[in-house]
Amino acid sequence: DTGVSQDPRHKITKRGQNVTFRCDPISEHNRLYWYRQTLGQGPEFLTYFQNEAQLEKSRLLSDRFSAERPKGSFSTLEIQRTEQGDSAMYLCASSVGTGQETQYFGPGTRLLVL
Amino acid sequence: DQQVKQNSPSLSVQEGRISILNCDYTNSMFDYFLWYKKYPAEGPTFLISISSIKDKNEDGRFTVFLNKSAKHLSLHIVPSQPGDSAVYFCAARSNDYKLSFGAGTTVTVRA
Repeated sequence: DTGVSQDPRHKITKRGQNVTFRCDPISEHNRLYWYRQTLGQGPEFLTYFQNEAQLEKSRLLSDRFSAERPKGSFSTLEIQRTEQGDSAMYLCASSVGTGQETQYFGPGTRLLVL
Repeated sequence: DQQVKQNSPSLSVQEGRISILNCDYTNSMFDYFLWYKKYPAEGPTFLISISSIKDKNEDGRFTVFLNKSAKHLSLHIVPSQPGDSAVYFCAARSNDYKLSFGAGTTVTVRA
């Protein structure tokens, strides 16, 4: 029984570059969520998927951010033209998708934009 | 708008004693509450949850209490152990499934 996995665990990039993160949810979990966490704060919701459908996007998700979940399995989060303010921990979580289910988090991807 | 607040950024407790972490929320539509534990450089790990129709849930050393009228919940850890030293996040969910988190409380258990 593997948990949520994320790749890469760390990413250093220069301002203006594009980056892409991957999340593999727990097998058979229908819902997949992306959160962002900055120092001293709790995770903040970015977006979530029910199977392959992206159902909600936070206002935190600017036009430079795009997320996909093709075939309802793994998901990718891409940030275009990165800015220093994008530096954060990007967390992925998944849940079964029925009722008041618990969200289980992956280890996160730490992004540093220089 | 911070809908979930953890007003104590840190807590220090002696090993074997009780740790009490507090959390307040403002959104009366929240119907499910969770506590997560986080070590540095790792993702949050689920600890315990409670539905809004209950006022208490217990799992081993961890007990969560919910006071809906006061919009307040607390996490009790008894007895506290050195491995409990971590950041604890309170989270709440409404019917749109996304979680709203507090800023966290750093717990240090002293030997």
